[in-house]
Order: sequence, then C-alpha cells, then structure tokens
Amino acid sequence: EAGVVQSPRYKIIEKKQPVAFWCNPISGHNTLYWYLQNLGQGPELLIRYENEEAVDDSQLPKDRFSAERLKGVDSTLKIQPAELGDSAVYLCASSFGERDTQYFGPGTRLTVL
Amino acid sequence: QKEVEQDPGPLSVPEGAIVSLNCTYSNSAFQYFMWYRQYSRKGPELLMYTYSSGNKEDGRFTAQVDKSSKYISLFIRDSQPSDSATYLCAMSGRSGGGADGLTFGKGTHLIIQP
Repeated sequence: EAGVVQSPRYKIIEKKQPVAFWCNPISGHNTLYWYLQNLGQGPELLIRYENEEAVDDSQLPKDRFSAERLKGVDSTLKIQPAELGDSAVYLCASSFGERDTQYFGPGTRLTVL
Repeated sequence: QKEVEQDPGPLSVPEGAIVSLNCTYSNSAFQYFMWYRQYSRKGPELLMYTYSSGNKEDGRFTAQVDKSSKYISLFIRDSQPSDSATYLCAMSGRSGGGADGLTFGKGTHLIIQP
C-alpha cells in the first residue's frame, strides 16, 4: 500500500515569492493534517481536514498561509508571500479518522532566501 | 515551560547496548502516548502506541508510561546501527490525537556506534 505522497521534496525560493506544497494521503483516509517542523523541533499542527472541511485551522497563520482539500482527497498548502522564518519542513499526515493512527509523508523541505 | 520536555541529545551508545529514551510532560489530560522514529530527510514513523499507564512490548522495543510521575520511556534492546535516528515522543488527550492534536517533544537524536 502506498504511503502519504508529498511533492516537491525540496523547494528553494526567495522571500516574498509564493510557494505551494501538494499532498496525496493514503487511500481511504478521511482525515488529513498539515504540520510544520522547524529544525530540532517536533512537528506542530497547522491545519486538520475531515474530508473537505477544515475542522481545526487555529494554528494556521491566515495572513499568508492558505490550504485547500478539494474533493476530500489531495490537499495543497500555500504560502504567499514567503518570509525567511518560513524555512522549515512541511509534513502531511493522514488517518482513517480523528481517533486513528496518523501516518506521515516524507515532507517538503522549504528554504527561503 | 513546554508541555512536553525531551532531551535533544545527541545520545551515542555502542551497538548491542540497551537504550533508554524519555519524555516528561505537564498536562494531566494526556492519555495516549506515542513514540515516532524519524530518519534524516524522512517523515516520522509510528513505533509504539500506548494508552494510560503501563508497559507495552513489541520486539526489541518497550514503551513505559508512568502517569503519576508524568514520565514516559522507550527502551531499545540489542540496539543496532539501523536504530540511529531521531525519536519523537507524542501525546494527546484523545485516541489518535486528531481531535485535540498531537503534542510532540523536540526529539532525541540517537546514534548507535558499530
């Protein structure tokens, strides 16, 4: 069974540029999460989807971050404009439901210059 | 003080040694405790999942939870170089951590020397 797929794996951009990350969850997983992992830190939740509905986006910096999960499968996380402090790894995870084990993708490593 | 404290290491031990990794926490609402392993440039992979206090064993890995002390441990027996990775503890108040979120420690960088 394929795991959580993320692309791109690496992205280097200049500050003030936009950037987007894509996630394809494990087939059948209704719950999708986006996490931020800074160097030397554990992941921190940005947003959680139940199917196509964002049910917890309290930690998402809405002035520059946005996310969508059209049709309740794939999801895209966008940053516009990017700042130097956004350099981090962006992890996507999925689970059958909110009470089930979360499975993580490999992440997208973003570097903002 | 952060909700979950974990020594970042690095922790370096010889191959075959017993490894002990630990986390302390402050939120008494946490009921579900997890250990994830994260290799360099990879996403976290779930190793152990326990509920409330007690022990759970899976092969060379043993997870212990002491809720009275707000202290959790992961033991690795007969450690192998392939165990070299960052180990993250995570915890939540509800099963799966989806409803109320997973709270992670910083992770401990473990190095097993051949």
